[in-house]
Amino acid sequence: GENVEQHPSTLSVQEGDSAVIKCTYSDSASNYFPWYKQELGKGPQLIIDIRSNVGEKKDQRIAVTLNKTAKHFSLHITETQPEDSAVYFCAASTFVPETDKLIFGTGTRLQVFP
Amino acid sequence: DSGVTQTPKHLITATGQRVTLRCSPRSGDLSVYWYQQSLDQGLQFLIHYYNGEERAKGNILERFSAQQFPDLHSELNLSSLELGDSALYFCASSVGRLTNNEQFFGPGTRLTVL
Repeated sequence: GENVEQHPSTLSVQEGDSAVIKCTYSDSASNYFPWYKQELGKGPQLIIDIRSNVGEKKDQRIAVTLNKTAKHFSLHITETQPEDSAVYFCAASTFVPETDKLIFGTGTRLQVFP
Repeated sequence: DSGVTQTPKHLITATGQRVTLRCSPRSGDLSVYWYQQSLDQGLQFLIHYYNGEERAKGNILERFSAQQFPDLHSELNLSSLELGDSALYFCASSVGRLTNNEQFFGPGTRLTVL
């Protein structure tokens, strides 16, 4: 079945450094790739997403890149701040009827030290 | 605040019991998704309803069932509970019927089975 692998499981960086989280997916029909941030005690929240017709997307300090040939996508956070500390989940979906579902990676716990 | 509400916030029960988790989607959203998040695990998709009809199923156990009512709120029923069912249960809502629409997550219901 569909699978999304996410690495690393934990990531510690110094404030101001960059953080990169990588995901690979198994279903070549996947064409939507969102990233969610989950703070302690809260539900996940969408921070950025990318669709298969785009190779890169940026939103201020956050960027996502997609390589459909290699079936992997990455989240890049620049100039990290302590409030970026959270668990980040990547996900993939095909939005094909009947089998349309969001498959999540296992998460990356990011810690940003002041 | 995502606009999605879930009740109760916490639930403690015994093995073999049955519980009902409730979700109210954001105003205007027709889709409701249910996810299970176990300790140190990612988000496992359980089931998706759109405008009262089941759209897709994930790895939902036969002991679990769900429905979406005419007012669009949804309930997840868990029966014959086992210790391994202890987890955070999230619902999410979105405006459309496909997964390439942003999903807004509720705060979750923490279920503890003793």
